[in-house]
Amino acid sequence: DAKTTQPTSMDCAEGRAANLPCNHSTISGNEYVYWYRQIHSQGPQYIIHGLKNNETNEMASLIITEDRKSSTLILPHATLRDTAVYYCIVRVITNAGGTSYGKLTFGQGSILTVHP
Amino acid sequence: NAGVTQTPKFQVLKTGQSMTLQCAQDMNHEYMSWYRQDPGMGLRLIHYSVGAGITDQGEVPNGYNVSRSTTEDFPLRLLSAAPSQTSVYFCASKNHGGLRTLLHFGNGTRLTVT
Repeated sequence: DAKTTQPTSMDCAEGRAANLPCNHSTISGNEYVYWYRQIHSQGPQYIIHGLKNNETNEMASLIITEDRKSSTLILPHATLRDTAVYYCIVRVITNAGGTSYGKLTFGQGSILTVHP
Repeated sequence: NAGVTQTPKFQVLKTGQSMTLQCAQDMNHEYMSWYRQDPGMGLRLIHYSVGAGITDQGEVPNGYNVSRSTTEDFPLRLLSAAPSQTSVYFCASKNHGGLRTLLHFGNGTRLTVT
């Protein structure tokens, strides 16, 4: 299983870009990188995912290095409401009942604090 | 569309008591899973199911039982609660559409075992 390593905590000024790094040096070629976040007392929320190419959606951008051993989640204009725990996850594949499924395993995540 | 619904939201148990945490989804998702979340530990997978009648263990299955008799429901049973099971529990589901599909989470059940 590919493990992920994230800094325990990060800070960002409101309105600036928040860059959240993640190392996944043992990632396999067919494993995706997912990012979720969890705002206090709520369930985790999907942000973005990717395989090889950089991805962008309305919430964030995901930059994956060419060797795929690390990635960075970018929140382009952080707001106070982006304060949360951010999880970088590599999908684990397992077989059950003859069907392959992705089993997402969460690490400890990075606490992002956005300051006024 | 309710999504993933967990009940109860809060529960206090005494050591040795049993209870079932309920999880239901109305999205016809094949895959359902249970996580527990403890301070400084992130989310840890307890059990998961890829369809009715199929379950498998996750990272921390001990002390928990699951069954999947219908697509909609995936209850988590604590047969003899222990203080170490004090945690916030999240149920999640996703559809059969492939490994790139997204997990949908419930709002959690906060369990305290005294």
